[in-house]
Amino acid sequence: KNQVEQSPQSLIILEGKNCTLQCNYTVSPFSNLRWYKQDTGRGPVSLTIMTFSENTKSNGRYTATLDADTKQSSLHITASQLSDSASYICVVSDRGSTLGRLYFGRGTQLTVWP
Amino acid sequence: EADIYQTPRYLVIGTGKKITLECSQTMGHDKMYWYQQDPGMELHLIHYSYGVNSTEKGDLSSESTVSRIRTEHFPLTLESARPSHTSQYLCASSETGTAYEQYFGPGTRLTVT
Repeated sequence: KNQVEQSPQSLIILEGKNCTLQCNYTVSPFSNLRWYKQDTGRGPVSLTIMTFSENTKSNGRYTATLDADTKQSSLHITASQLSDSASYICVVSDRGSTLGRLYFGRGTQLTVWP
Repeated sequence: EADIYQTPRYLVIGTGKKITLECSQTMGHDKMYWYQQDPGMELHLIHYSYGVNSTEKGDLSSESTVSRIRTEHFPLTLESARPSHTSQYLCASSETGTAYEQYFGPGTRLTVT
């Protein structure tokens, strides 16, 4: 069964600190992995997208890693800001259909305190 | 900021009413999607479209229906709203191909009383 599991479910950190969010997946055949940021009451916004051959990708203070062998990904946030408070969703796409079906994790709810 | 719009943003409606959630995108994307998301839960695909006059049901069974008469417009309709339909509905669009970004609208928060 194609699944995406994220940990931790929630995380509280102080402003300026770093944190790392984890994603494990069983989606096969794998096409790509995406990290989205979703503010409360808003739609998800893409942070990074990585294909099988990419093992790291950065977007400002966000750095995603991918280990396609172990089917794990992480999202590292550097020097956190209050505006980083959001849900971070790991999404994996398969290449077994023309739709490129997306499988969503439940997200990690990050809260950054001043 | 993606050019995809949803209206209304919030809707509170009584049981049995017919409602239509609007979704429009100005990016010329062929693929469009509707997702349902409950608080703290993952997004579930309920409908998608490859292009004009193409609509398919997604993974999650839904009593809603969709239409795609124009490329830019992908409305979702509930003929008779029930409290179980209370949820957030997110519309998205993408270019054709499996590695293309999906751009999400801001969502419609629906409450059925």
